[in-house]
Amino acid sequence: GAVVSQHPSRVICKSGTSVKIECRSLDFQATTMFWYRQFPKKSLMLMATSNEGSKATYEQGVEKDKFLINHASLTLSTLTVTSAHPEDSSFYICSARDEGLQLDSYEQYFGPGTRLTVT
Amino acid sequence: QKEVEQDPGPLSVPEGAIVSLNCTYSNSAFQYFMWYRQYSRKGPELLMYTYSSGNKEDGRFTAQVDKSSKYISLFIRDSQPSDSATYLCAVRGSNYKLTFGKGTLLTVNP
Repeated sequence: GAVVSQHPSRVICKSGTSVKIECRSLDFQATTMFWYRQFPKKSLMLMATSNEGSKATYEQGVEKDKFLINHASLTLSTLTVTSAHPEDSSFYICSARDEGLQLDSYEQYFGPGTRLTVT
Repeated sequence: QKEVEQDPGPLSVPEGAIVSLNCTYSNSAFQYFMWYRQYSRKGPELLMYTYSSGNKEDGRFTAQVDKSSKYISLFIRDSQPSDSATYLCAVRGSNYKLTFGKGTLLTVNP
């Protein structure tokens, strides 16, 4: 089955620094990737849709200057949390859609998540 | 009104029990209905998906959709301790964006 990896799995950083999280589709190409955020005991909230070769589409209320998304290749999207603050501490999960499947495929493959703690 | 409502539980059942998990949604434009399982500190994995009203069965799992009442269900038969996880319902419209419920934490006790 399709595999999506994330790196790092866990990161602790100091307030004011920036952190980059990578999302890779390992055995398929993904024009579209999604970034989610999940607080403890809460649902996944879609932050943005990452489009290869073009600007990301952000959901309402998500600061695009704070959460920078780069989708430079068909297998890699990165999320950079800039000037991180303790309230940015969360579980960040990416997903990727397998473009090789039929156009209307429902399937999104999720990465294992990255736990960010800002001290 | 939230787009997807799901009782967060927690739900605790004995091994072998039948588990019923439910969600309601508000937008009739949603066309695809999914159930994901998420273990602690892991990403979600797709369990079942349905496109139309009716039932879909896969082993011990049955997904049910009633579009007229905007109600989706997941049934787990002969539940096992390994089924202990958070179960998330999700809906999708004509785009590829998923809207998730809050998730129901299930514990199956041996």
